[in-house]
Amino acid sequence: AQSVTQLGSHVSVSEGALVLLRCNYSSSVPPYLFWYVQYPNQGLQLLLKYTSAATLVKGINGFEAEFKKSETSFHLTKPSAHMSDAAEYFCAVSNSGGSNYKLTFGKGTLLTVNP
Amino acid sequence: NAGVTQTPKFRVLKTGQSMTLLCAQDMNHEYMYWYRQDPGMGLRLIHYSVGEGTTAKGEVPDGYNVSRLKKQNFLLGLESAAPSQTSVYFCATRTGAYEQYFGPGTRLTVT
Repeated sequence: AQSVTQLGSHVSVSEGALVLLRCNYSSSVPPYLFWYVQYPNQGLQLLLKYTSAATLVKGINGFEAEFKKSETSFHLTKPSAHMSDAAEYFCAVSNSGGSNYKLTFGKGTLLTVNP
Repeated sequence: NAGVTQTPKFRVLKTGQSMTLLCAQDMNHEYMYWYRQDPGMGLRLIHYSVGEGTTAKGEVPDGYNVSRLKKQNFLLGLESAAPSQTSVYFCATRTGAYEQYFGPGTRLTVT
């Protein structure tokens, strides 16, 4: 079975500071990994994905994430936070094997950006 | 190109009432999913479909039924609503590249 753990249900940063949102996964087969963002009262929007190509993945809005197999991690970073980054972020995992049609989500991390 | 749409956007039900949520997509995707989102719980998969005429249970299927009679539509039904089904419901479709596209959500309150 696959699972995702997001460390920290709430992260607060100052505008211009580094954003680091942590995600660890568990999967019995090579995983596909995703980060989604949810703005208030909206659906989820894909930020970036890892599907076994380059381990450093760049996404939209200046975010990137690095797949580290040895640490079973896929942490999301952004060098300089902007007020518009305030949202909830979800990490998700999908198996690359036969049952790869289902995503398992973490519980989410709410990012607050202070002026 | 509307993507994934959900109807209705909001609904209030009394305990025991029934309703159907409609998800429609115009992207010709085979896979469709219904999730519920509750505070602190992330998204949990209710049911999913890998193609027209097929459905399967997800993580939390009890109290829900689904149908996929047409490729572009995926219906989620509540036969006898309970307060525990108060939630925000999201529909999603999946591309061949494994990423999922989400609708805007339906906020359901059961009193």
